[in-house]
Amino acid sequence: NAGVTQTPKFRILKIGQSMTLQCTQDMNHNYMYWYRQDPGMGLKLIYYSVGAGITDKGEVPNGYNVSRSTTEDFPLRLELAAPSQTSVYFCASSYGVSTGELFFGEGSRLTVL
Amino acid sequence: DQQVKQNSPSLSVQEGRISILNCDYTNSMFDYFLWYKKYPAEGPTFLISISSIKDKNEDGRFTVFLNKSAKHLSLHIVPSQPGDSAVYFCAASGVDNNDMRFGAGTRLTVKP
Repeated sequence: NAGVTQTPKFRILKIGQSMTLQCTQDMNHNYMYWYRQDPGMGLKLIYYSVGAGITDKGEVPNGYNVSRSTTEDFPLRLELAAPSQTSVYFCASSYGVSTGELFFGEGSRLTVL
Repeated sequence: DQQVKQNSPSLSVQEGRISILNCDYTNSMFDYFLWYKKYPAEGPTFLISISSIKDKNEDGRFTVFLNKSAKHLSLHIVPSQPGDSAVYFCAASGVDNNDMRFGAGTRLTVKP
């Protein structure tokens, strides 16, 4: 059982480059999230989605875009990479957030040089 | 603003003893609290949760206590085992919001 799968696991980008972090889940969860974790900091929510076709901003959305065309997939796009986006990115899914646990992927470590 | 705070970045305990991890929150609208455990190079995994209508929830060696008046919760691990060595995140959410807020984490080391 795959759960939440993120790709790639590691990536190095140059300033100004673009890339997409892929996330897919096979649990038929409606809710999906993207978090970033910086050293010594908690996870900060970038974007979330409550269902296909619906997305909304979290705490730190600047510099990112998302789409949710299917229940399974929730890609995160970085349009113009900046050093401040160097972080570990986690995708997660859940049945619902108010009382539900989140299921996380293994993370994607992104370095922008 | 950091609505969920874990003020101890690290904690070291001896195997077999109790581990107590603490968490404070500022948003009185939070009504559901969770603890996640994270090993290196893995995503966080759910450990235990508690609703604001309770003050204690127990699951095996893990117990979470909630003090709403103090806006404080704690995770007790008894007895601690070396396999418990990980980073523990406290998280909180509310009925009216669609996101979950996390603390900065506490790295627990259990020494044999």
